[in-house]
Amino acid sequence: GIQVEQSPPDLILQEGANSTLRCNFSDSVNNLQWFHQNPWGQLINLFYIPSGTKQNGRLSATTVATERYSLLYISSSQTTDSGVYFCAVKSKGGSEKLVFGKGTKLTVNP
Amino acid sequence: NAGVTQTPKFQVLKTGQSMTLQCAQDMNHEYMSWYRQDPGMGLRLIHYSVGAGITDQGEVPNGYNVSRSTTEDFPLRLLSAAPSQTSVYFCASSPAGVGRGDTQYFGPGTRLTVL
Repeated sequence: GIQVEQSPPDLILQEGANSTLRCNFSDSVNNLQWFHQNPWGQLINLFYIPSGTKQNGRLSATTVATERYSLLYISSSQTTDSGVYFCAVKSKGGSEKLVFGKGTKLTVNP
Repeated sequence: NAGVTQTPKFQVLKTGQSMTLQCAQDMNHEYMSWYRQDPGMGLRLIHYSVGAGITDQGEVPNGYNVSRSTTEDFPLRLLSAAPSQTSVYFCASSPAGVGRGDTQYFGPGTRLTVL
């Protein structure tokens, strides 16, 4: 099945810093989503982005489908950005399964 | 809309006991799924359903059963709980299948401990 690798596994920032999270995947996809899991465990969808670039406030994401990777950018980080960021994909032609990476744990210190 | 609801929030079982984790959504979503989250493992798909009466296995289906008799409900059954099933369980739903670009909406999770 499709493999999803996220890097780095852990990231510690000072408030106000920028960061880039990476998601590599091993097959062509027709669904790629980024999720944020807050420290209380709630999972929130950030982006649906199987290709191209999207922006939502301080967050933006880019997926280069031909090279099988996606990037999540966080600018001017805030303590509320802390948590775990997951990338999840569905391979083209595959069954209706979303496969998650192991996540990047982000800690933003004041 | 309440969104995706899960009950209970916490549960402790003894090895060999059975139980059902409940999941319901009020958004008329066709696609529903169950994941388990273990430390350092991300989320792994247990079972999913693309509509009432249709279910299929995910990555880690062993030890779990599901059924989908209505659009709204998608219960997960543990027939004989084992310590390896200690985990946090998330239910999710989306308007249609994951191949159609729909975002996933997650419930708050159920933390299960099997002694």
